[in-house]
Amino acid sequence: GDSVTQMEGPVTLSEEAFLTINCTYTATGYPSLFWYVQYPGEGLQLLLKATKADDKGSNKGFEATYRKETTSFHLEKGSVQVSDSAVYFCALLTTSGTYKYIFGTGTRLKVLA
Amino acid sequence: NAGVTQTPKFQVLKTGQSMTLQCAQDMNHEYMSWYRQDPGMGLRLIHYSVGAGITDQGEVPNGYNVSRSTTEDFPLRLLSAAPSQTSVYFCASSYRLLGDYGYTFGSGTRLTVV
Repeated sequence: GDSVTQMEGPVTLSEEAFLTINCTYTATGYPSLFWYVQYPGEGLQLLLKATKADDKGSNKGFEATYRKETTSFHLEKGSVQVSDSAVYFCALLTTSGTYKYIFGTGTRLKVLA
Repeated sequence: NAGVTQTPKFQVLKTGQSMTLQCAQDMNHEYMSWYRQDPGMGLRLIHYSVGAGITDQGEVPNGYNVSRSTTEDFPLRLLSAAPSQTSVYFCASSYRLLGDYGYTFGSGTRLTVV
């Protein structure tokens, strides 16, 4: 069945370091892909999205490109800040058969000053 | 806009008790859903609704009931609480399921069953 696999955390970086959080997926058809962020004690917030191959989603300095050939949607940011410390979830919306969201298990990011 | 409002934020129940977690949205979203979040397991779908009067089961529906009498409200009922239902519960809504609308999440209800 459809699934999302994220790199395990926690990921610990120094401020201004480059961030990559890997996400790969398995799905039939052409799913839409999302990254959500969860700050401590809060619900998830939509960070960025992409709906077709080669689309690049971007928001708040974060980017991710929909790579169909490698079934990946890696999250990147060129220079992280302490305020980026959170849990990041990759998700897909299946578009064939029963439509539903599938979430990865989340990757915790900790940025040190 | 208030977005998605969940109440209560925290709750402790005794085994066997019942309760209702409230969820309301003011964005006229068609699609609403309930998830539980457990460590190392990400988010798991409990129940969902594609519109008023229509509900369906997700991947972990046992022990939970839902109803959708209005577009705005989507309460989750625990019929007889068990320690395995200790979790953080999130309500989420979307304008429509299809498309790139994404979800708007509530801030969650942390439930402990003792």
